[in-house]
Amino acid sequence: QSALTQPASVSGSPGLSITISCTGTSSDVGGYNYVSWYQQHPGKAPKLMIYDVSNRPSGVSNRFSGSKSGNTASLTISGLQAEDEADYYCSSYTSSSTPYVFGTGTKVTVL
Amino acid sequence: QVQLVESGGGVVQPGGSLRLSCAASGFTFSRNGMHWVRQAPGKGLEWVAFIRYDGSNKYYADSVKGRFTISRDNSKNTLYLQMNSLRAEDTAVYYCAKEGYSSSSLPDYWGQGTLVTVSS
Repeated sequence: QSALTQPASVSGSPGLSITISCTGTSSDVGGYNYVSWYQQHPGKAPKLMIYDVSNRPSGVSNRFSGSKSGNTASLTISGLQAEDEADYYCSSYTSSSTPYVFGTGTKVTVL
Repeated sequence: QVQLVESGGGVVQPGGSLRLSCAASGFTFSRNGMHWVRQAPGKGLEWVAFIRYDGSNKYYADSVKGRFTISRDNSKNTLYLQMNSLRAEDTAVYYCAKEGYSSSSLPDYWGQGTLVTVSS
């Protein structure tokens, strides 16, 4: 099972919006509404930001939103803030013998 | 609140073995599936293994299949990862994570991780 494809880096100015893509196949992202997004600051554990494509856990800012079209899921961060600077990973359930896969990760930089 | 505390990491020689533990609290451990996920230094997240709430089913990444064994003791609220035939490429921070409420069982809460270094 290959990792899901994410851009290595995305940057944006404070207050603006950015979108991170996560591309898989019909066996994972495209086949199920089971995509999660995680935020990871340096030296810290990942934190769940979005689950089931577009649902936000309690306590996560509504500046974070998720969507999916075909085999590509997306995470949008609106009103970008300095604290959003971190690595972001998508993850999906898959129909393969290894049922879970992570994305390659995206480093978000706030300019 | 949910707490997951990993332990057991350290330095081990190639070909050696190590057992990681993850002590869980703040939720009903016996009702939740659990994951192990690892992250090599400076690299991305890699899913390693998953065990259902009652231990009835276990799943592994191809990279560890046949070498690693995930298990749990619901009476002790503890998750384990037995790692045998360790290789240099197994060097990573190992995180335990609780399955979320999604039907996918993808993780929600994560521990802080324990570092495993495979080196001679």
